[in-house]
Amino acid sequence: KAGVTQTPRYLIKTRGQQVTLSCSPISGHRSVSWYQQTPGQGLQFLFEYFSETQRNKGNFPGRFSGRQFSNSRSEMNVSTLELGDSALYLCASLLGPGVSNEQFFGPGTRLTVL
Amino acid sequence: AQTVTQSQPEMSVQEAETVTLSCTYDTSESNYYLFWYKQPPSRQMILVIRQEAYKQQNATENRFSVNFQKAAKSFSLKISDSQLGDTAMYFCAFLVIQGAQKLVFGQGTRLTINP
Repeated sequence: KAGVTQTPRYLIKTRGQQVTLSCSPISGHRSVSWYQQTPGQGLQFLFEYFSETQRNKGNFPGRFSGRQFSNSRSEMNVSTLELGDSALYLCASLLGPGVSNEQFFGPGTRLTVL
Repeated sequence: AQTVTQSQPEMSVQEAETVTLSCTYDTSESNYYLFWYKQPPSRQMILVIRQEAYKQQNATENRFSVNFQKAAKSFSLKISDSQLGDTAMYFCAFLVIQGAQKLVFGQGTRLTINP
């Protein structure tokens, strides 16, 4: 069974631009969570989607948004990029709440904002 | 709100030695999971071991075991017979059972296994 895939793996943008990152969960997994990883702040929860609904959102500004499609694939969008948005963005999938609590992580998208 | 603290930013041991990574957490919840995740250099994060808070027995997975002290809110990871492939960042994480799948991570411990 294929693991969690994230595209693109690397991205370079300039301040003010916007970016869209994609995550394809493991087949059959219906929940997708997103995390931001930086050297200074560590791993921080962005949001979680289950059956196309956002169930929870972390403490990030409204420039960070996401969505989930009917096939469970998820995208996150960051608008008006700032230098501080440079980070590794990780996506994690799991079968579903109450079924399993093990989150499987993708390789991440490394975003650099210049 | 839950917090997770890993007090050892870096650790280094010789191959075949045993090493223990510390983790403490703070929560008012009674039902939760605790995890140790491993993130090798430039590689994906993978689950090492999981502990359900309602289970008194400490979890073990081959060379990896935990010491879960619920009253003290402590959750340490012991790696026995360490191997070069154990070199990685190790993150302790907390998850409330009910509700959204939001992992709360510690800052991580960078573990280096020396030959």
